[in-house]
Amino acid sequence: KAGVTQTPRYLIKTRGQQVTLSCSPISGHRSVSWYQQTPGQGLQFLFEYFSETQRNKGNFPGRFSGRQFSNSRSEMNVSTLELGDSALYLCASSLSHRSGLAGLETQYFGPGTRLLVL
Amino acid sequence: GNSVTQMEGPVTLSEEAFLTINCTYTATGYPSLFWYVQYPGEGLQLLLKATKADDKGSNKGFEATYRKETTSFHLEKGSVQVSDSAVYFCALSDRKEYGNKLVFGAGTILRVKS
Repeated sequence: KAGVTQTPRYLIKTRGQQVTLSCSPISGHRSVSWYQQTPGQGLQFLFEYFSETQRNKGNFPGRFSGRQFSNSRSEMNVSTLELGDSALYLCASSLSHRSGLAGLETQYFGPGTRLLVL
Repeated sequence: GNSVTQMEGPVTLSEEAFLTINCTYTATGYPSLFWYVQYPGEGLQLLLKATKADDKGSNKGFEATYRKETTSFHLEKGSVQVSDSAVYFCALSDRKEYGNKLVFGAGTILRVKS
């Protein structure tokens, strides 16, 4: 089974621009979560999507948004980029069920998209 | 709120040495606990997990036991190899919260010398 894929792998943008990152989950997985990894703040949860609905949200400004499509693929968008948005953005998928099974599921991570904002 | 504290690195060991990476947690609910590993230039890979007190997770020679009384989940390996050099993250997922949300520790860099 193919793993989680993320595109693009690397991206360079300038301040003020916007960017869209894509994530394809493992086949059959219905939940997609996004994380930001930086040297200063470590790994931080952005949001989770399940059945095209945002199910959980971290403490990030509204410039960070996402969506999920009917095939479970997900995109995240960052508008009005700031220098501090430079990071590795990781996507993770899990099987999930409508009941949530909160905390019991394993999340499988993709290789990440490295974003550099100049 | 929920949080995870890991020992600071880097940890530098010789091949075949014993490894311990300490991890303690604070959770409002009853969390599941995970260890993830990140190799250079890659995403995170699940190393092992435990979902209830006294459970022992194990994989590839690594072990960790869920200790509710000490709120700890220390990672151990009896004999490390150069190929174990990576960053190790301890994480929790709180089962009081709906859905999936991992809270990570800061990560511990492990360097193994031959």
